[in-house]
Amino acid sequence: GEEVAQTPKHLVRGEGQKAKLYCAPIKGHSYVFWYQQVLKNEFKFLISFQNENVFDETGMPKERFSAKCLPNSPCSLEIQATKLEDSAVYFCASSQWAGGQPQHFGDGTRLSIL
Amino acid sequence: KQEVTQIPAALSVPEGENLVLNCSFTDSAIYNLQWFRQDPGKGLTSLLLIQSSQREQTSGRLNASLDKSSGRSTLYIAASQPGDSATYLCAVEGNTGFQKLVFGTGTRLLVSP
Repeated sequence: GEEVAQTPKHLVRGEGQKAKLYCAPIKGHSYVFWYQQVLKNEFKFLISFQNENVFDETGMPKERFSAKCLPNSPCSLEIQATKLEDSAVYFCASSQWAGGQPQHFGDGTRLSIL
Repeated sequence: KQEVTQIPAALSVPEGENLVLNCSFTDSAIYNLQWFRQDPGKGLTSLLLIQSSQREQTSGRLNASLDKSSGRSTLYIAASQPGDSATYLCAVEGNTGFQKLVFGTGTRLLVSP
């Protein structure tokens, strides 16, 4: 498609439950990025992929967060044993290739942990 | 560690005014700088991308400049309209080739009719 599609728009989980978010990048884009937006405008980079390979995972909390991009499937970001502090909007972005290309963002998934 | 700051945090202007939003970054080793707008409850819309070798980019009423050596960028909006009301974010990509963006905290713009 021509837009980055994220599902669901809103996800509510009780503390300790699992949360799984999905992202379909723009067709033809090789790079996928996940960002976490907390407290209005604080964006934190989580992880990026080049096709199905992890490109950069320096922002990823190792213990409870995992992500995948498999061929012919939406990319996913999974949080095990959610905590209250995981409440945020999670954005996915894609770009055509590395270096100097604009990143195109989806509308985000708002994750609320109760 | 790259830090990106945006001033002002909020701006309220009457329709028709020309305005300037500021972005500064601490590490001049960047690949490019991108300006986005974010509407409430929405994702980021890319407005302009300036490569590190460029000085400015223009799109319609928007003009973005980049002074890499001093770590500054400005977004100029001409003849502002109520539809320009949004949060504007700048983000820099480091020149390591890893492509992750480091964002500023944004400027919330309100343009009154």
